[in-house]
Amino acid sequence: RKEVEQDPGPFNVPEGATVAFNCTYSNSASQSFFWYRQDCRKEPKLLMSVYSSGNEDGRFTAQLNRASQYISLLIRDSKLSDSATYLCVVRSNFGNEKLTFGTGTRLTIIP
Amino acid sequence: GAGVSQSPSNKVTEKGKDVELRCDPISGHTALYWYRQSLGQGLEFLIYFQGNSAPDKSGLPSDRFSAERTGGSVSTLTIQRTQQEDSAVYLCASSLQRGVSYEQYFGPGTRLTVT
Repeated sequence: RKEVEQDPGPFNVPEGATVAFNCTYSNSASQSFFWYRQDCRKEPKLLMSVYSSGNEDGRFTAQLNRASQYISLLIRDSKLSDSATYLCVVRSNFGNEKLTFGTGTRLTIIP
Repeated sequence: GAGVSQSPSNKVTEKGKDVELRCDPISGHTALYWYRQSLGQGLEFLIYFQGNSAPDKSGLPSDRFSAERTGGSVSTLTIQRTQQEDSAVYLCASSLQRGVSYEQYFGPGTRLTVT
């Protein structure tokens, strides 16, 4: 089983719709969680950290469910510029700074 | 300020040749990471440097791969006797590693093609 698993998609969503992605992780000791965004042929960039209480940044909401070991990302009122690959990222242990990346979920917003 | 820079941006080399890839992290960032990303795949961790500590080399795929970080700043990833399966985008990232902030800032990558 992969340490971080994501549905690769693609998700093709009409502009203005709401879309949600889930990600599961296998290590129950995982400490930190992130969503990164990667545009085609570009480097990944941090979209948002994921906190236990859930957090929101504009149209984006991230949730963490430790009991079920999954992380979610919700995008409301999707824009064409949201088209990208979304990477779920997990840091497993204190003192180990290595991040483990999921293979990403590809999202295309359709006009 | 300046972000993470990498050079070259593209490298085409013949099978069996050695290559060196360079990374300049963000000034003041103590942690530096190398990853590679094959076409359509996720990021594969290669190596991690943190300050003066011994690097975490657990992700290096073979002994043909090595990396060093001089003076706590610039890093060089060396691949000896390149193989076609080494073709990928090699990404470098740096991080401040302060408090609970572990955000990694990525460079634009070096696209390596082994012919």
